[in-house]
Amino acid sequence: DAGVIQSPRHEVTEMGQEVTLRCKPISGHNSLFWYRQTMMRGLELLIYFNNNVPIDDSGMPEDRFSAKMPNASFSTLKIQPSEPRDSAVYFCASSRSTERNEKLFFGSGTQLSVL
Amino acid sequence: AQSVAQPEDQVNVAEGNPLTVKCTYSVSGNPYLFWYVQYPNRGLQFLLKYITGDNLVKGSYGFEAEFNKSQTSFHLKKPSALVSDSALYFCAVRDWGDYKLSFGAGTTVTVRA
Repeated sequence: DAGVIQSPRHEVTEMGQEVTLRCKPISGHNSLFWYRQTMMRGLELLIYFNNNVPIDDSGMPEDRFSAKMPNASFSTLKIQPSEPRDSAVYFCASSRSTERNEKLFFGSGTQLSVL
Repeated sequence: AQSVAQPEDQVNVAEGNPLTVKCTYSVSGNPYLFWYVQYPNRGLQFLLKYITGDNLVKGSYGFEAEFNKSQTSFHLKKPSALVSDSALYFCAVRDWGDYKLSFGAGTTVTVRA
């Protein structure tokens, strides 16, 4: 099992540019989460998908952020336009189900730097 | 609402000594509790979880955690720390009626040789 795969590992962009982060969850997992990690705010849940459907996007900071999951094996998080305060590590995580005792499997993250 | 507190930003111990990382939680119902570890430039890795049953939970790499309902705590422990245990540790809680996993701020553990 290859685990949760995220790309790119690092992204450096200029303010105002569009950024797209990608995630491939573990095969057979039907729950997917996007988290953001910063020193100031720790780990924040941005959005949660179940069976490819967005269930809760209340953590998405602004309309500049959007996420999609067109199929069970792929999800994207897009920031348009990007701003310096978006600089953070973005993690994708998946789990087998919505059972409350299921653990999450995390990808290695995307380090985003917006200049 | 659910929340997690990790009162220590950093824990420093000598190799071979016992290691404890503290965690307290707040939930409205019954908690599902988790510990994760993050090594530099890596994603979080699952260590152990408490769902129900025995208050002492054993997990990966020799770690264990004790659930204390009266103190609403779930401290992570290792009897003899290794230098390779140096990492960032996160406690997380999920209320029985919620899918969201809320993480603590994290505790940086440094084990010196």
